[in-house]
Amino acid sequence: QKEVEQDPGPLSVPEGAIVSLNCTYSNSAFQYFMWYRQYSRKGPELLMYTYSSGNKEDGRFTAQVDKSSKYISLFIRDSQPSDSATYLCALYTGANNLFFGTGTRLTVIP
Amino acid sequence: GAVVSQHPSWVICKSGTSVKIECRSLDFQATTMFWYRQFPKQSLMLMATSNEGSKATYEQGVEKDKFLINHASLTLSTLTVTSAHPEDSSFYICSARDNSQFFGPGTRLTVL
Repeated sequence: QKEVEQDPGPLSVPEGAIVSLNCTYSNSAFQYFMWYRQYSRKGPELLMYTYSSGNKEDGRFTAQVDKSSKYISLFIRDSQPSDSATYLCALYTGANNLFFGTGTRLTVIP
Repeated sequence: GAVVSQHPSWVICKSGTSVKIECRSLDFQATTMFWYRQFPKQSLMLMATSNEGSKATYEQGVEKDKFLINHASLTLSTLTVTSAHPEDSSFYICSARDNSQFFGPGTRLTVL
């Protein structure tokens, strides 16, 4: 079993839709949870960073962490064509390295 | 957030040559940098962890004699792909950790 599971998609939604992206994990030692956005042929860009259960909001993006269920989500409200990218969840114990999900490819259709 | 730069952004070379990729943290000092490799439509694969002033730690299956890493200062790490072959063609991304982990823009290597 992988440390982090993420549905690779692809996911296509119409412009303005609410997008839900999810990851599950198995290691309860993960304490830090990140979402990265990666455009084609570019390096990943940090979107959200949380370290506790609950919600964190930044503009149209909301990151949600449920440590009891080992489940994290990223919600995108009022999705835009410019949101079309691959979204990677990344988890960190505080030591060693990041563990990445496989990434979900999102396309927002105008 | 913190900025990490990479140079070059893309490189094409002949088989058998060596290629050096630079990674710099522009506005913070990074005692630890990371080198990843990414194939098309796949997630990032950690190759090695680069520690300033000491030898890099390589992931299982990564040839340390082929992928030479030097972390000469707190803001610079280099990855040299020695005697590159077509199967080394990939997208190489470096990363540095500040409070969180920030990635460079990547270097696309094509070996002919």
